Amino acid sequence: AQKITQTQPGMFVQEKEAVTLDCTYDTSDQSYGLFWYKQPSSGEMIFLIYQGSYDEQNATEGRYSLNFQKARKSANLVISASQLGDSAMYFCAMREGHSNSGYALNFGKGTSLLVTP
Amino acid sequence: ETGVTQTPRHLVMGMTNKKSLKCEQHLGHNAMYWYKQSAKKPLELMFVYSLEERVENNSVPSRFSPECPNSSHLFLHLHTLQPEDSALYLCASSHSATGESYEQYFGPGTRLTVT
Repeated sequence: AQKITQTQPGMFVQEKEAVTLDCTYDTSDQSYGLFWYKQPSSGEMIFLIYQGSYDEQNATEGRYSLNFQKARKSANLVISASQLGDSAMYFCAMREGHSNSGYALNFGKGTSLLVTP
Repeated sequence: ETGVTQTPRHLVMGMTNKKSLKCEQHLGHNAMYWYKQSAKKPLELMFVYSLEERVENNSVPSRFSPECPNSSHLFLHLHTLQPEDSALYLCASSHSATGESYEQYFGPGTRLTVT
């Protein structure tokens, strides 16, 4: 079963506007971590932001913030004041905390974001 | 500048060739990973090393053979590959292989084409 769902294959946003990239997750664990990564066309996966399941406040990192709604199992990424350099693929990922969860980050299929002038 | 480097960045090889991918991390991490990224598919974990010991192998064909000589270096040895093995191969590292809070840092990847 898919643990991470990203329903937006592609998104457009105008420069300087804010954009929200959706992510829902599926887990029965109480303890888990949620991550967002950016992958430009060069291929490197760049870590953006982390949210722990027990964190009461939404994570923020500069222009990135994570809208964490635990009851809805959603962890949307909000990018404020978009820049042309934000054009890339964005991946949501989850890592579960129980001992049998394995070692992998479970990634979604990604959302392609295009920032237009 | 990334703390995880990968070489080569691009590789074209025939099905009978033998080649190796190299990954090096300069972050002092204890865990290293190989992922495969194919077009329109989520990243797939291939191998995990923790403190130089392989701790996970996700049913990867034997034509892929990993090697971790120390905590900073990771190799992926390739032989008799198939065209469907063409993909972006990403190396990653993290402080620990366990625990839900440790982010993984990725290298730039090796774009592999099997002809």
